[in-house]
Amino acid sequence: NAGVTQTPKFRVLKTGQSMTLLCAQDMNHEYMYWYRQDPGMGLRLIHYSVGEGTTAKGEVPDGYNVSRLKKQNFLLGLESAAPSQTSVYFCASSYGFLSPLENQPQHFGDGTRLSIL
Amino acid sequence: ILNVEQSPQSLHVQEGDSTNFTCSFPSSNFYALHWYRWETAKSPEALFVMTLNGDEKKKGRISATLNTKEGYSYLYIKGSQPEDSATYLCAFWNSGGSNYKLTFGKGTLLTVNP
Repeated sequence: NAGVTQTPKFRVLKTGQSMTLLCAQDMNHEYMYWYRQDPGMGLRLIHYSVGEGTTAKGEVPDGYNVSRLKKQNFLLGLESAAPSQTSVYFCASSYGFLSPLENQPQHFGDGTRLSIL
Repeated sequence: ILNVEQSPQSLHVQEGDSTNFTCSFPSSNFYALHWYRWETAKSPEALFVMTLNGDEKKKGRISATLNTKEGYSYLYIKGSQPEDSATYLCAFWNSGGSNYKLTFGKGTLLTVNP
């Protein structure tokens, strides 16, 4: 049981390049989230999904796109990377609101450290 | 926009000291309050999920209390050890319009000196 797995763990990009971060969970969670962590800012929500085929914007969605084609996977895309997107990205998943196991915590991946030069 | 405030921002204590910090959240539409422990270079790990007013939870030397009517939760650490050094995050789950997600505070950074 791997929990939440993020790929890759580290990446360096040049400004303008594109890339996709992959998040996979094996806990059959309905909800999945992408956060970014920056010094002094805590965790900020980028996008989230409440089920397969659905996505929604969080606090800081600009410059990112997401897709959830399968329940277990949540992809975060950067179409044209900018230095301001240098950050540590965390994926998380949880049971859904009003599900029988709703009062369980979010489970986090180990993070992806992304540097944009 | 939901506001979750944590205080203090950072705290330095000596090994063996007991300490506590606060999480403040909106008192309306309360659904759950989460506490996470986040060590440097690792991912956040859940400590407690609290749902009822007056709830008290304990895990080893760490405990938490919840007051939903006034919108605050306290996290206590008894006899701090250097391995307790971490950022402690609280997160609020509301039952209103944005009930699909947690709103996180910015955390309290605890440093325990040996």
